[in-house]
Amino acid sequence: DADVTQTPRNRITKTGKRIMLECSQTKGHDRMYWYRQDPGLGLRLIYYSFDVKDINKGEISDGYSVSRQAQAKFSLSLESAIPNQTALYFCATSDARASTDTQYFGPGTRLTVL
Amino acid sequence: AQKITQTQPGMFVQEKEAVTLDCTYDTSDQSYGLFWYKQPSSGEMIFLIYQGSYDEQNATEGRYSLNFQKARKSANLVISASQLGDSAMYFCAPSNDYKLSFGAGTTVTVRA
Repeated sequence: DADVTQTPRNRITKTGKRIMLECSQTKGHDRMYWYRQDPGLGLRLIYYSFDVKDINKGEISDGYSVSRQAQAKFSLSLESAIPNQTALYFCATSDARASTDTQYFGPGTRLTVL
Repeated sequence: AQKITQTQPGMFVQEKEAVTLDCTYDTSDQSYGLFWYKQPSSGEMIFLIYQGSYDEQNATEGRYSLNFQKARKSANLVISASQLGDSAMYFCAPSNDYKLSFGAGTTVTVRA
């Protein structure tokens, strides 16, 4: 089974709808991240969390919110989706106890906003 | 966010040959990490190799090696003995305060 899972894997929604993307991990890592990737570009950080009580904005947090429900779960919400939020969304985790801050990624959620 | 420059948007390499992917970054930190990730056409992000800024030796991981030049803020990835399965997008990602910043990536196509 995958260590970092994302649901749904694909989602098509309409402008103005609220949508939640979920991320779960079985790696026991404290740190979790949400990124988005636009076609032909690298990943950009939306939000990150270093433990259950810690939430931080990343480079492009406008239009998004997150919830860290447990160590293993980190959800990303789009309160009112707009077409330019169409992108590939990745969740990632890293281990605060490790000697390096290597991040491990989920398979991604492809979101289309019509 | 840091500025990361990967100047080669696309590269072709013959099977079994080596290819070097360029990466420069603009961190002001003295201590940081450098990561390379692979993204095949299926879309997942696969961790390849890590280099710490204070590591004296260049990192190697199987057929992957890093040519790290700290003074030049450069961390080039070398893939030796290319295989068809190496065809993918490759991203350079320096870390700062446990956060990654990504370059735009280089697409590598391996020809048989």
